[in-house]
Amino acid sequence: AQSVTQLDSQVPVFEEAPVELRCNYSSSVSVYLFWYVQYPNQGLQLLLKYLSGSTLVESINGFEAEFNKSQTSFHLRKPSVHISDTAEYFCAVSEAGRRALTFGSGTRLQVQP
Amino acid sequence: DGGITQSPKYLFRKEGQNVTLSCEQNLNHDAMYWYRQDPGQGLRLIYYSQIVNDFQKGDIAEGYSVSREKKESFPLTVTSAQKNPTAFYLCASSVFAGGAVHNEQFFGPGTRLTVL
Repeated sequence: AQSVTQLDSQVPVFEEAPVELRCNYSSSVSVYLFWYVQYPNQGLQLLLKYLSGSTLVESINGFEAEFNKSQTSFHLRKPSVHISDTAEYFCAVSEAGRRALTFGSGTRLQVQP
Repeated sequence: DGGITQSPKYLFRKEGQNVTLSCEQNLNHDAMYWYRQDPGQGLRLIYYSQIVNDFQKGDIAEGYSVSREKKESFPLTVTSAQKNPTAFYLCASSVFAGGAVHNEQFFGPGTRLTVL
């Protein structure tokens, strides 16, 4: 059975500093990987996804994530964060043959001025 | 504008009452999902439906019920059997549920249920 681990429940960082949010998964079959962002009291929005091809995927607002099959990881990075990036970030896995996503417990990114 | 709507945004329930949360989508998606979100626990799947008149239990279905009479609607009823219903409930939909490649899910804005 698949599972998703986000080791950091909260990540405080200063504005314009780099950040990495970690995500590890366990699965015995092919997977598809997603990062979602949730602003307070709102639904989730897709940030980026890995389905196939290049292992480095990027979002339109400067985030990127790299699929590492050998380490079963899909860490999210941004070289310089902004106050508006403050939100909760969820890593999710879709496993071949399973009809729903499995979510990690989330990481709250707190960007401080 | 295509999207998913959930109503109400906030809902208060007395103990022992059933309540129904609405979820509507106009994206022409086949599959719909209900998740429960609790602080520090991420999202947990309650029920999902791949086609009209069919639905499956997720990981925490006890105390909940659903129906899928129309493609665009997937209401969730929180019954009195659900012992700890206070949570944030999220509805989602996706284009096609049969293959994992298309399991990108689009989410509604959520309903916050509080039991008084």
